[in-house]
Amino acid sequence: DADVTQTPRNRITKTGKRIMLECSQTKGHDRMYWYRQDPGLGLQLIYYSFDVKDINKGEISDGYSVSRQAQAKFSLSLESAIPNQTALYFCATSDSSGRRDEQFFGPGTRLTVL
Amino acid sequence: AQSVTQLGSHVSVSEGALVLLRCNYSSSVPPYLFWYVQYPNQGLQLLLKYTSAATLVKGINGFEAEFKKSETSFHLTKPSAHMSDAAEYFCAVSGNGNQFYFGTGTSLTVIP
Repeated sequence: DADVTQTPRNRITKTGKRIMLECSQTKGHDRMYWYRQDPGLGLQLIYYSFDVKDINKGEISDGYSVSRQAQAKFSLSLESAIPNQTALYFCATSDSSGRRDEQFFGPGTRLTVL
Repeated sequence: AQSVTQLGSHVSVSEGALVLLRCNYSSSVPPYLFWYVQYPNQGLQLLLKYTSAATLVKGINGFEAEFKKSETSFHLTKPSAHMSDAAEYFCAVSGNGNQFYFGTGTSLTVIP
């Protein structure tokens, strides 16, 4: 089984709809991240969480919100989706005991906003 | 502040030829540097990492990278390209608080 899972894997929605993307991990890591990937732009950090009570904005948090329901779960919400939020979204995790060590990525969610 | 620059958004090499993907970094702290690979329709997978130990780092699938502080570079190489190496490659630097800063990626095409 995958250590970092994302649901759904693909989603098509309409402008103005509320969307939630979910991420779960079985790695026991305390830190979790949400990124979006756009062609030619690489990965941009949306939000990150160092533990259940610690949520931080990343580079491009406008239009997004997150919830850390448990150490293993981190959800990303688009309150009112717009077409320029069409992108590939990745969840990632890391272990604080590894200091600045690697992040582990989920398989991604492809979101299309019409 | 931390950032990375990947020179060349697309690189094409012939099968069996040398692969060289360039990455330059900027960091206000001693850098931790990473190369990730993304195969089509998949997430990112770690190829290799530099965390202040040996400057020549060996990774999976025959890839390696050399940390050169004087050039602020961390270029990725592989002596002989294989068709299965075709993918998107991302360089990243880890800043304070374990935030990652990714480059814009380099798409590698391997020509038979």
